[in-house]
Amino acid sequence: AQRVTQPEKLLSVFKGAPVELKCNYSYSGSPELFWYVQYSRQRLQLLLRHISRESIKGFTADLNKGETSFHLKKPFAQEEDSAMYYCALSGASGTYKYIFGTGTRLKVLA
Amino acid sequence: EAGVAQSPRYKIIEKRQSVAFWCNPISGHATLYWYQQILGQGPKLLIQFQNNGVVDDSQLPKDRFSAERLKGVDSTLKIQPAKLEDSAVYLCASSRPLGSYEQYFGPGTRLTVT
Repeated sequence: AQRVTQPEKLLSVFKGAPVELKCNYSYSGSPELFWYVQYSRQRLQLLLRHISRESIKGFTADLNKGETSFHLKKPFAQEEDSAMYYCALSGASGTYKYIFGTGTRLKVLA
Repeated sequence: EAGVAQSPRYKIIEKRQSVAFWCNPISGHATLYWYQQILGQGPKLLIQFQNNGVVDDSQLPKDRFSAERLKGVDSTLKIQPAKLEDSAVYLCASSRPLGSYEQYFGPGTRLTVT
């Protein structure tokens, strides 16, 4: 079955501490992986995708095909990082159907 | 560029009533998606259009939900009759032609069924 698992509903860290939001996936084939973020009272928006291999707002994510994981990391959390984070995958061909995880709420404490 | 527009933003109805949501995607975006997001869960894809054709509606409860995208631009999603479990935020998203993966989301419509 195709699915995305985010095991933590809530992750609280102190400002300046490292952050790792976990994402594991199950997919037959080679999916594209994404992280979307929703800040308070804002729309869901793309944070980063694995094919671009870029760092956005200090966040990075590496696709580990062996462990079927796509964890989101940031070395030093900032208060403005507090938001809801969703991991998602899309088939690399065909319908490009998206599957979202249940999300992790990140709270960065002062 | 203007973002994805949705209306209404909030709707409260009684069970067994009908409701319709409207979405206007970003100009030039050929692909349009409707998602259902129940509290505490991630968005679940209901239907995906490419221009005015349906690409995927495998998770759309077709006995009560319907959607159309006339002329390949605006789209409406209808629920008839509504059930209590339909209470959720309904999100519309759009993206450029198939193969471009970034989706742009609208603000959503919060539906409460009493």
